[in-house]
Amino acid sequence: NAGVTQTPKFQVLKTGQSMTLQCAQDMNHNSMYWYRQDPGMGLRLIYYSASEGTTDKGEVPNGYNVSRLNKREFSLRLESAAPSQTSVYFCASSEARDRNYGYTFGSGTRLTVV
Amino acid sequence: SQKIEQNSEALNIQEGKTATLTCNYTNYSPAYLQWYRQDPGRGPVFLLLIRENEKEKRKERLKVTFDTTLKQSLFHITASQPADSATYLCSPKISSGSARQLTFGSGTQLTVLP
Repeated sequence: NAGVTQTPKFQVLKTGQSMTLQCAQDMNHNSMYWYRQDPGMGLRLIYYSASEGTTDKGEVPNGYNVSRLNKREFSLRLESAAPSQTSVYFCASSEARDRNYGYTFGSGTRLTVV
Repeated sequence: SQKIEQNSEALNIQEGKTATLTCNYTNYSPAYLQWYRQDPGRGPVFLLLIRENEKEKRKERLKVTFDTTLKQSLFHITASQPADSATYLCSPKISSGSARQLTFGSGTQLTVLP
């Protein structure tokens, strides 16, 4: 099925550990995004990639890095996890030139930092 | 600062009635506005997009209005069903180009009672 695939679905980290969240889309979309969702705060944009080879900061980039590996894949890295990074992380993709459709989201990664 | 407000955190209605959800935004001049549905443990799913020059858009039992003077969008579900129970997110977007401007409201949790 076409869509956005995120791995892992769940992860528990200790403070200071590092990890990479993986995201891949098979819709040939140019743009990809990483959001975090916290109770009562809605989705907040961490980083985005408008096209292959480019990345840019969103609203809450501190503590994160990203890599647009190719057109399909966009990874999010936590270099030194902190409890404040406990959240649900969503990857999304879109085709900016097609303004009739919204974003396609993955099913999320639930991350707990202890 | 830019702000999105969605009406009351939770909305309960009786099956068969029309549910009306509100999205108000400030300090935006969105070129279009999107609505998403999110079920527990899942990523948001795109429902509808309405442009600034469109007053109303329909899709099956869904209807969205967009009043740029009031800075408000209304999302209606007619003949509501228990399966419509979910959280609904609105997302105003500035004209295409800058993903930094795509932000989401915190959502309204709708429960349709049988």
